Amino acid sequence: QAHLVESGGRVVQPGRSLRLSCAASGFTFSNYPMHWVRQAPGKGLEWVAVISYDGVRKHYADSVKGRLSISRDNSKNTLFLQLNSLRPEDTAVYYCARDDGRGSAAAGTLGSWGQGTLVTVSS
Amino acid sequence: DIQMTQSPPSLSASVGDRVTITCRASQDIAGYLNWYQQKPGKAPKLLIYESANLETGVTSRFSGSGSGTDFSFTISSLQPEDSATYYCQQYNGVPYKFGQGTKVEIK
Repeated sequence: QAHLVESGGRVVQPGRSLRLSCAASGFTFSNYPMHWVRQAPGKGLEWVAVISYDGVRKHYADSVKGRLSISRDNSKNTLFLQLNSLRPEDTAVYYCARDDGRGSAAAGTLGSWGQGTLVTVSS
Repeated sequence: DIQMTQSPPSLSASVGDRVTITCRASQDIAGYLNWYQQKPGKAPKLLIYESANLETGVTSRFSGSGSGTDFSFTISSLQPEDSATYYCQQYNGVPYKFGQGTKVEIK
C-alpha cells in the first residue's frame, strides 16, 4: 500500500525559495509518475506538475512555469518540488500524489495521495 | 489548455436522495475524466476513473458517465458520510485540470 509523506512546508517571505519533499514507501517508487497538486486555503484543487517515472519528462501548470520545479531521486524514494520567487498566491497545502495510470491512459489518474504540507508566503 | 466547468458549486440534499454533479470540458477529452472526493482537512480520494470506472473499494452508490465534453457523477442514495467536496479532473493531456468542485451537504 502506497504511503506518501510530504514535508518542508513553513512560513516564508515573498521572493524567497523553498523545497518540498515527499517520501514514498510501500511501493516501487521508480515505476510511477508522480504529481504535485496544491490547494489554497478554502479553495479548490490546482494541479501543479508531473514528472515521469525516470525523471526525464516534466510538465507544469501555466501558473507556475519558470518558478516551480519538480524533480525526484529514485535512489531515495523521494519526490521534490522547488519553489522559487514565492508569491502570496503560492500559499497553499501542497500534496504529492502517485499516478496510477488507470484504464486505457498511460498517466493522469492520481490514485494515492499524501496528507499535504502547508506553505504560507507572507512577510 | 482544456478548461473544466463543474456545476453546481454546492448542493444540499436529504439522506436517500439521488444527487448528480456535472462537469463540462472546453474541448473533447474522450473519456479521460476522473472524480475525487475530499473531506475537510483530508487529502482527495479517487472515486471514479476514465469517466465510469469505479475505483476498487469505493461504494457502488457512486457512478459516473459521459464522454467527449459532458460528464456526470451520481450518488444514487445520499448517505451522511457522503458529505464532502467532489472534483472532476481531466487527463486527456497536460496541463491536467480540476473542476472548481461541488460541495455536497446533507439537509
